[in-house]
Amino acid sequence: GAVVSQHPSRVICKSGTSVKIECRSLDFQATTMFWYRQFPKQSLMLMATSNEGSKATYEQGVEKDKFLINHASLTLSTLTVTSAHPEDSSFYICSAIRGSYGYTFGSGTRLTVV
Amino acid sequence: GENVEQHPSTLSVQEGDSAVIKCTYSDSASNYFPWYKQELGKGPQLIIDIRSNVGEKKDQRIAVTLNKTAKHFSLHITETQPEDSAVYFCAASTGSSNTGKLIFGQGTTLQVKP
Repeated sequence: GAVVSQHPSRVICKSGTSVKIECRSLDFQATTMFWYRQFPKQSLMLMATSNEGSKATYEQGVEKDKFLINHASLTLSTLTVTSAHPEDSSFYICSAIRGSYGYTFGSGTRLTVV
Repeated sequence: GENVEQHPSTLSVQEGDSAVIKCTYSDSASNYFPWYKQELGKGPQLIIDIRSNVGEKKDQRIAVTLNKTAKHFSLHITETQPEDSAVYFCAASTGSSNTGKLIFGQGTTLQVKP
């Protein structure tokens, strides 16, 4: 089946630094990937839609300059949280679409900003 | 945009009993309705999905029903087991071939008591 790998699974960074999260489609090419954010005991909130070779489409209220998304190849999308602050601490999850498999989710990245 | 409402937020059942989770959606153009199970610290896993041209779908102990007129769909789990305990999310998407954005409900924490 379709597999999406997300790395790292956990990361702790200092306030003011930037963190990059990778999302890879391992056995298929994904022209579209999605990035979600999930706070404890809450639902997944869509942050942006990432399309290979073009600019990402951000949801309302999501700062595009803070959450940089790059989808440079058909198997890799990255999310960079720039100048991270404690309020950016969250669980970030990516998803990719592959044909009849539909949406496949990564295992998530727990970001803690101290 | 699409809005998905999910109830109940928590559900506790005795092992062997059935569990039902309900969702309503707002966008009549939505045509794909997946259900996900999420365990603590992990990404969501697809357990069953249904498309708008089907009213019901069953996979062993799990079934999903869809009422397009009323814009609601439900997850039914029969003969519940302790390992069914997790957070369950419904979602809705527009677009053909699963190409649209996936919007999630608020989630239901299911506890199955042995």
